[in-house]
Amino acid sequence: EVQLVESGGGLVQVGGSLRLSCAASGFGFGNYWMTWVRQAPGKVLEWVANIKQDGNEKWYVDSVKDRFTISRDNGKSSLYLQMDSLRAEDTAIYYCARAKEVSSPPLLYYFDYWGQGTLVTVSS
Amino acid sequence: IVLTQSPGTLSLSPGERATLFCRANQTVSSNYLAWYQQKFGQAPRLLIYDASSRATGIPNRFSGSGSGTDFILTITRLEPEDFAVYYCQQYGSSPPETFGQGTKVEVK
Repeated sequence: EVQLVESGGGLVQVGGSLRLSCAASGFGFGNYWMTWVRQAPGKVLEWVANIKQDGNEKWYVDSVKDRFTISRDNGKSSLYLQMDSLRAEDTAIYYCARAKEVSSPPLLYYFDYWGQGTLVTVSS
Repeated sequence: IVLTQSPGTLSLSPGERATLFCRANQTVSSNYLAWYQQKFGQAPRLLIYDASSRATGIPNRFSGSGSGTDFILTITRLEPEDFAVYYCQQYGSSPPETFGQGTKVEVK
């Protein structure tokens, strides 16, 4: 059974940092692009970042570029999101999701498995 | 590509049929469109991919149809656990991470 379990969320002040983790199991983690998707309270889903199987290609939504860093450790079947210079608008539930690739390049995929999410609250 | 879902809210009773729409402002290549269900306080769950293929474990009361710019998610007979928010996502062009704004299916 595919499982994705996020951790690391919490309350942080504006300008602070947090590191989210996602522990994967039940599938060959190193065979998949992985992603982070967030959802602000009462808002729609917003893709944040993704990372290629070998970690050598990464993409970010413009609003988090130069502040967030996605990474992975295939030996530990884990995905990470380092979030620096946090802003109030980064407050959201952050989901780890597996990308089901249908084409690459260009990279085209849908999200076939999701974790339960971890809440990040950025307070001013 | 911008996805517009309608209606914003659908008020129905258990046992009724639900029809949800997702319209794209450009043709979705290869009908690469997915539907997700999100229950309150839970993560999204993949229901449909490639516009009409049900994901693993999804009951056959859920079906997807459509092509080009217009797509439909149909729930033939609403069960109590189906009241949720539904999102569509296109992945026919890059960037693929475009979601609609969601349709809430609520109890009438």
